[in-house]
Amino acid sequence: DAGVIQSPRHEVTEMGQEVTLRCKPISGHDYLFWYRQTMMRGLELLIYFNNNVPIDDSGMPEDRFSAKMPNASFSTLKIQPSEPRDSAVYFCASSIMAGFTDTQYFGPGTRLTVL
Amino acid sequence: AQKITQTQPGMFVQEKEAVTLDCTYDTSDPSYGLFWYKQPSSGEMIFLIYQGSYDQQNATEGRYSLNFQKARKSANLVISASQLGDSAMYFCAMREARGGGSEKLVFGKGTKLTVNP
Repeated sequence: DAGVIQSPRHEVTEMGQEVTLRCKPISGHDYLFWYRQTMMRGLELLIYFNNNVPIDDSGMPEDRFSAKMPNASFSTLKIQPSEPRDSAVYFCASSIMAGFTDTQYFGPGTRLTVL
Repeated sequence: AQKITQTQPGMFVQEKEAVTLDCTYDTSDPSYGLFWYKQPSSGEMIFLIYQGSYDQQNATEGRYSLNFQKARKSANLVISASQLGDSAMYFCAMREARGGGSEKLVFGKGTKLTVNP
């Protein structure tokens, strides 16, 4: 079975440009999560969706960040305009349910560099 | 307060030996799950093993086992017969059940394991 798919794997852009990260969750998983990983802050949850509906976006750092999930098999995380401090690895993860026993499966991540 | 503490920034082990990676956690919720993930240098996050707070037995998955000591709030990962491919970052994470926060997976800062030939 295919795991979580993310694209692009690497993105290099210049400050001020719009960046769009993409994610395809595992089929049948009702929950989708976006995380950011940096050396300073480790892994942080940005936002998560249940059945395509955003449930908690309290981790989104600021209004420059937005996320959508137009259908069960696709989600985007957009940064507009991008800044150098947004440089990080962005992970998408999915799980069947969201109980404390449910495992989240991660995609390979997108390494974003903002110059 | 940190919910997940991994006190070993780096660990070294000889190939074929066993190694224990420490993880302590902080929660007052009786229902929680503990997870270990591996992150090799290629960057992906790979799920290794899960332990639930109500599980009576320590979890095992192949060469991975979890030394779960509930009273001490520790969930150490044991890797037996280390292989060169085990060299990676290892993250301990927790999910609590209560208060609508069960969806959040909280991670520790990780331990970098290096397996020497």
